[in-house]
Amino acid sequence: AQRVTQPEKLLSVFKGAPVELKCNYSYSGSPELFWYVQYSRQRLQLLLRHISRESIKGFTADLNKGETSFHLKKPFAQEEDSAMYYCALRPAKTDKLIFGTGTRLQVFP
Amino acid sequence: GAGVSQSPSNKVTEKGKDVELRCDPISGHTALYWYRQSLGQGLEFLIYFQGNSAPDKSGLPSDRFSAERTGGSVSTLTIQRTQQEDSAVYLCASSPSRTVDTQYFGPGTRLTVL
Repeated sequence: AQRVTQPEKLLSVFKGAPVELKCNYSYSGSPELFWYVQYSRQRLQLLLRHISRESIKGFTADLNKGETSFHLKKPFAQEEDSAMYYCALRPAKTDKLIFGTGTRLQVFP
Repeated sequence: GAGVSQSPSNKVTEKGKDVELRCDPISGHTALYWYRQSLGQGLEFLIYFQGNSAPDKSGLPSDRFSAERTGGSVSTLTIQRTQQEDSAVYLCASSPSRTVDTQYFGPGTRLTVL
């Protein structure tokens, strides 16, 4: 079965602390993985995609096929990072995204 | 430019009524997607359009759900004989083409079935 699991509903950290939002997937092929973010009162938007190997707003995510994980990391959290984060997988030869249930990140001052 | 728009933003209906939800994608985007987010759940894929055709309807939960797209632009999601379990936020997204993997989301329609 194709599935994305985000085990933490809520993650609370203080400003300046490291952050790791966990994402595990279940998929037999080569996955395309994404992180989407939704800030308060804003639309869901793409944060980063694994194929780009990019760092956006200080966030990075590395695909670990052995552990079937795509955790989102940032070394020093900022208050403006507070948002809902969704991990998503796109199965090969399809156009749909399979989302996890999301993790709410709260960064306290 | 204008982003994806959806209407209405909120819809309250009685069980058994039909509802129509509208999505206006970004101009020129050929791919259009509908998702549903129920309370405590992740986003659940419903249907995908490429132009006016729907090559993937695999996520529609029952035959009470249907969607169409006209002129390669506006899409309407129709739910017939609504049930309380249909209460959710319905999100629409569009993408420039199927080869572009970034989906641009609308603000959603919150549907409440009493």
